[in-house]
Amino acid sequence: KAGVTQTPRYLIKTRGQQVTLSCSPISGHRSVSWYQQTPGQGLQFLFEYFSETQRNKGNFPGRFSGRQFSNSRSEMNVSTLELGDSALYLCASSSGLAGETQYFGPGTRLLVL
Amino acid sequence: AQTVTQSQPEMSVQEAETVTLSCTYDTSESDYYLFWYKQPPSRQMILVIRQEAYKQQNATENRFSVNFQKAAKSFSLKISDSQLGDAAMYFCAYRINTGNQFYFGTGTSLTVIP
Repeated sequence: KAGVTQTPRYLIKTRGQQVTLSCSPISGHRSVSWYQQTPGQGLQFLFEYFSETQRNKGNFPGRFSGRQFSNSRSEMNVSTLELGDSALYLCASSSGLAGETQYFGPGTRLLVL
Repeated sequence: AQTVTQSQPEMSVQEAETVTLSCTYDTSESDYYLFWYKQPPSRQMILVIRQEAYKQQNATENRFSVNFQKAAKSFSLKISDSQLGDAAMYFCAYRINTGNQFYFGTGTSLTVIP
């Protein structure tokens, strides 16, 4: 099976712009979770989508949003970018069933100037 | 609140030696899962080992094993016969059985000295 893929891999934006990141989960997986990884904060949970519905949400402002499509692909959007949004954004997929492991994509590295 | 604590930001080990990475967690749940993930420099995060809380037997995967102490809420990772390829950031993670949200520690950066 192909692994989790994320596009784009690298992105440079300026403050105030918006950005959309994409994640394609492992075939058959219905759950997609998004994380923000920064050197000082580690992995911070953004949200999880399961069968096109947001099932869990972390403590991020409303500028961070997401959605999931019927084929389980997910997008994450960040509006009005701030310098502090510079980070590695990781997507992880799983079956969504209890106890199942999450499998991570390579991440999208976002730099906000 | 669910929290995961990795008290060792950095660790180093001599090649072929054994190293133990610490992890503690805080939860009121009785049914949950614990994980160790490895993130090599500029590479993808991969699963190292997984432990079900209801199992008393410690999980092992080749050179990787855990010491799971449920009462103490401790979940340490032991790497035996360390290899240069083991150099990475290691994250401890926890999830409860009734949800799919993972809680991660802040990571331990492991250096392997040749």
